[in-house]
Amino acid sequence: AQSVTQLDSQVPVFEEAPVELRCNYSSSVSVYLFWYVQYPNQGLQLLLKYLSGSTLVKGINGFEAEFNKSQTSFHLRKPSVHISDTAEYFCAVSGGAAGNKLTFGGGTRVLVKP
Amino acid sequence: DTAVSQTPKYLVTQMGNDKSIKCEQNLGHDTMYWYKQDSKKFLKIMFSYNNKELIINETVPNRFSPKSPDKAHLNLHINSLELGDSAVYFCASSQDHRTNSPLHFGNGTRLTVT
Repeated sequence: AQSVTQLDSQVPVFEEAPVELRCNYSSSVSVYLFWYVQYPNQGLQLLLKYLSGSTLVKGINGFEAEFNKSQTSFHLRKPSVHISDTAEYFCAVSGGAAGNKLTFGGGTRVLVKP
Repeated sequence: DTAVSQTPKYLVTQMGNDKSIKCEQNLGHDTMYWYKQDSKKFLKIMFSYNNKELIINETVPNRFSPKSPDKAHLNLHINSLELGDSAVYFCASSQDHRTNSPLHFGNGTRLTVT
């Protein structure tokens, strides 16, 4: 079975500072990886995805993530955050035996302070 | 021109009642899903339908019954509501369940059972 671990439940960060959200997954076969963002009282929106190819993936709103197969990680980064980046961020994995069933991590709440 | 819309946005009801949540997508997608997000923000898939056919049915009490009259609609009916059913329920859709395409989420239905 696949699983996703987001190591930080909360990340406070000052505006214009960089942020990194950690995500590790467990799977014995090739997987597809996603980061979603959930703003307050809204549904989830796709930030970026890794399906194949370059391990550095660029997404919307200045976010990027790097797939590291040997470390089974897919960490999300942004070099300079804005107040509007305050949200819950979810890492997710699909593929392999689970097919298109998306397994989510527990989420990381990012709180951007002025 | 909302892509995935679900109604109602809020639902407050008493234990033992029966309630339904409706979902519609206008993206032309073949696959639709129901996810449950608990109070700790943990997201878990409940059901998935591809072109009106049930393809994923996780370990969910049989008080929960999804219905897909056509591929653009996936409704969720819940019988004999219990306190533990309180959560936010998200509907989502994707282009095709076989291609690991990203999910598009609705804004959620917050169900409170008293």
